[in-house]
Amino acid sequence: DAGVIQSPRHEVTEMGQEVTLRCKPISGHNSLFWYRQTMMRGLELLIYFNNNVPIDDSGMPEDRFSAKMPNASFSTLKIQPSEPRDSAVYFCASLGNVNQPQHFGDGTRLSIL
Amino acid sequence: GESVGLHLPTLSVQEGDNSIINCAYSNSASDYFIWYKQESGKGPQFIIDIRSNMDKRQGQRVTVLLNKTVKHLSLQIAATQPGDSAVYFCAEKNPGGSYIPTFGRGTSLIVHP
Repeated sequence: DAGVIQSPRHEVTEMGQEVTLRCKPISGHNSLFWYRQTMMRGLELLIYFNNNVPIDDSGMPEDRFSAKMPNASFSTLKIQPSEPRDSAVYFCASLGNVNQPQHFGDGTRLSIL
Repeated sequence: GESVGLHLPTLSVQEGDNSIINCAYSNSASDYFIWYKQESGKGPQFIIDIRSNMDKRQGQRVTVLLNKTVKHLSLQIAATQPGDSAVYFCAEKNPGGSYIPTFGRGTSLIVHP
């Protein structure tokens, strides 16, 4: 099992640029989660999908953030335009059953200059 | 809102000692609890879980204890090794929250050789 795969692992870009983070969940998992982790706020849930449908996006900071899941094996989190305060580690996690733990990817470390 | 919190942000131990990491939860409806380990540069990794119909569960060198009376969860690591150095998170799930986990802020475990 390859686990949850995220790309890129690191991203450094200038403010105002568009950033796209990618996630491939574990095959067979029907729920996918996007988190943001910072020292100040810890692990924050941004949005999650069930069967490719967004269920709760109340954690998305603002309209600059958007997420899609066009199929069961791929999701993107986009920030446009990016700002320095978006700098954080972004994690994707997938889940096969609500009575099981989530499986996390190794994250994307995003730095906005 | 209700939250999961940790008593100790940092725990330093000597190699070979036993470690105990504590977690308090406030949602009495939570019925599934998970411990994760996060090493530097990686995503949270599942260690062990426990359901509310149990008060103790053992894994390899790890034991989770659940005290529902005082809403307390602990992770015990036997014979702590330098490789155990990481941040440890507890998470709770409850039916009212659609089984979306709520994460604590984390405890940093430092193991001195």
